[in-house]
Amino acid sequence: DTGVSQDPRHKITKRGQNVTFRCDPISEHNRLYWYRQTLGQGPEFLTYFQNEAQLEKSRLLSDRFSAERPKGSFSTLEIQRTEQGDSAMYLCASPLTAGGTGELFFGEGSRLTVL
Amino acid sequence: GENVEQHPSTLSVQEGDSAVIKCTYSDSASNYFPWYKQELGKRPQLIIDIRSNVGEKKDQRIAVTLNKTAKHFSLHITETQPEDSAVYFCAASQRGGADGLTFGKGTHLIIQP
Repeated sequence: DTGVSQDPRHKITKRGQNVTFRCDPISEHNRLYWYRQTLGQGPEFLTYFQNEAQLEKSRLLSDRFSAERPKGSFSTLEIQRTEQGDSAMYLCASPLTAGGTGELFFGEGSRLTVL
Repeated sequence: GENVEQHPSTLSVQEGDSAVIKCTYSDSASNYFPWYKQELGKRPQLIIDIRSNVGEKKDQRIAVTLNKTAKHFSLHITETQPEDSAVYFCAASQRGGADGLTFGKGTHLIIQP
């Protein structure tokens, strides 16, 4: 599979619960990005990995958010003590080229609803 | 940081007419400007991009123009078709590619039959 896979596609949770999303990026592409998209807005950058190293974090990524990419392949994004404001689509993306220039290939996203 | 403004938020055109979506950016160091199309419930997909060393790029019915002096770039769609109905996002980056992309808020393009 040459695409970006995300799991789960939908998650409904109660406020205060923890949730974890998984992303499997394009194989052998060492960069991986997480974005958040709320209704009526464009994607907002959250964080970025080069292999297993988390190189950049947005100020949007509060201390309740943690992302990992332990073996430089798949990545997880965990949100602790969820709040209603966390409701959004969480998008994972790989650069289409291994070198990282140009097109971002997005996954279908994980939609989070916090009740 | 970079700020990208996109207008209009909604655009309705008759099928066969042209559509123009405009974006401005704040950081003069930005050098890469992609446009993404997002259909309802789907992932954003790149439709065209332009780098700061060119002023215009065309791909069939789609074209993008860039005015570096004014820090302004636009998406032009000619001979619009029903399948062009979607939300379009512009973006800008100072790093020449996928890194550091800042997206606009999107334009909902509606093609009227």
